[in-house]
This record gives sequence, structure tokens and C-alpha cells, in this order.
Amino acid sequence: AQTVTQSQPEMSVQEAETVTLSCTYDTSESDYYLFWYKQPPSRQMILVIRQEAYKQQNATENRFSVNFQKAAKSFSLKISDSQLGDAAMYFCAPPGAGSYQLTFGKGTKLSVIP
Amino acid sequence: KAGVTQTPRYLIKTRGQQVTLSCSPISGHRSVSWYQQTPGQGLQFLFEYFSETQRNKGNFPGRFSGRQFSNSRSEMNVSTLELGDSALYLCASSLGDNSYTFGSGTRLTVV
Repeated sequence: AQTVTQSQPEMSVQEAETVTLSCTYDTSESDYYLFWYKQPPSRQMILVIRQEAYKQQNATENRFSVNFQKAAKSFSLKISDSQLGDAAMYFCAPPGAGSYQLTFGKGTKLSVIP
Repeated sequence: KAGVTQTPRYLIKTRGQQVTLSCSPISGHRSVSWYQQTPGQGLQFLFEYFSETQRNKGNFPGRFSGRQFSNSRSEMNVSTLELGDSALYLCASSLGDNSYTFGSGTRLTVV
């Protein structure tokens, strides 16, 4: 079975500061996609950023960027200039054990302090 | 464009009953996946459908089943409900391009 570890159950960050959420995973795939999703209290899972494993370049989406280390199977999310609306649960999602599925970590609850 | 629509948003059922949840994907998306989210187990994959065919199934008992219609809408059914089936059920749709858009979920409570 694939495993995903998000070692920080909770984190907090001051508004306008930078925070990094960590994720390590295990997969036997060589070409795959990884995702970070955000789940606010509204419950909807919102895609934050996607990384293609065969690309050397780390993905960036506005204030969100990743540090992808394929050999180490590490996929951290950096949020710059944190905003109050960034407060949510964040889930790392590498590929699951079978096709067409994702495996989710337990999540990191991010609080943003005004 | 409309997102992924899940109905109903909330549901309360009694142990032993059965329940059917519905998911309408984004127009043009032919893949629909289902996930169960609980505080204890987190998010777990249930199954995935593409063009009315189940391509993958997670490790859930046979009480959990699903189907997809020709218009790509999907339903999942849980028979003989147990208290442990109380969860948020999330549906995701995809064009098949490794990008998944989720709905807001159905909150099922079994009493």
C-alpha cells in the first residue's frame, strides 16, 4: 500500500509571513502526479498546486510553490505572504496503490494569525 | 462553468437502511471518483468510473457499490448501513488529465 506522511498535524503562521508544510510518500511509480489540496470549513477540496514527477522544475502557483525531491520522495508546500483565507486543512496527495486514485495524508491544519 | 455537484448535502439514516448518493461531474468530464472522509481514517478511495465502467475499487466491503450513467453522472450506494459508515463522501471528476475537481460532499450520519 502507498503511504503518505504529513508530520505536522497543526501549524500556525502570522499573516503576511511564509510557512512550509511537509509531506513524504512512498510509491513504486516512476511517472506520476502529486497534488496539494486545501479543505476549508466549507468541506470542498480545492486544488492548490500540482506537480508532475518527471519535471525537474518545481511547480509554482502565485503565492504557492513546492519543493519536490523525487529521490527522497518529499513534496513540501510553501505558502508565501500568508492570508487569512489560507486557513484550512491541507492535504498532500500522491498517487494511490492502483490506477486512477489518489492517496491522501492525514492533513495539516493551518491557522493564520492576524 | 458549473462545478461538481453532489446531492444531497446532508443525510441522516438509521442503521440497517440503505442510501444512495449522487454526483454530477463537470460537463465533459468522463471520470468520477468517490472518497470517504472520516476523522479516524482520513480520506480513503472508494472507486473510480470512466464511461460507465469501474476501473478501480478501494478496499471497502461489498455493501459499498456504485455506478455511472451514460451522461457521466454517478451514484454510490451503501446497503445495510452501519454506524461506522457515518462520514463525508466526496466525489471528484476528471477529464483524465490527472487533474481532479472535487464536489462539496455529502455528509452522511447513521443513527
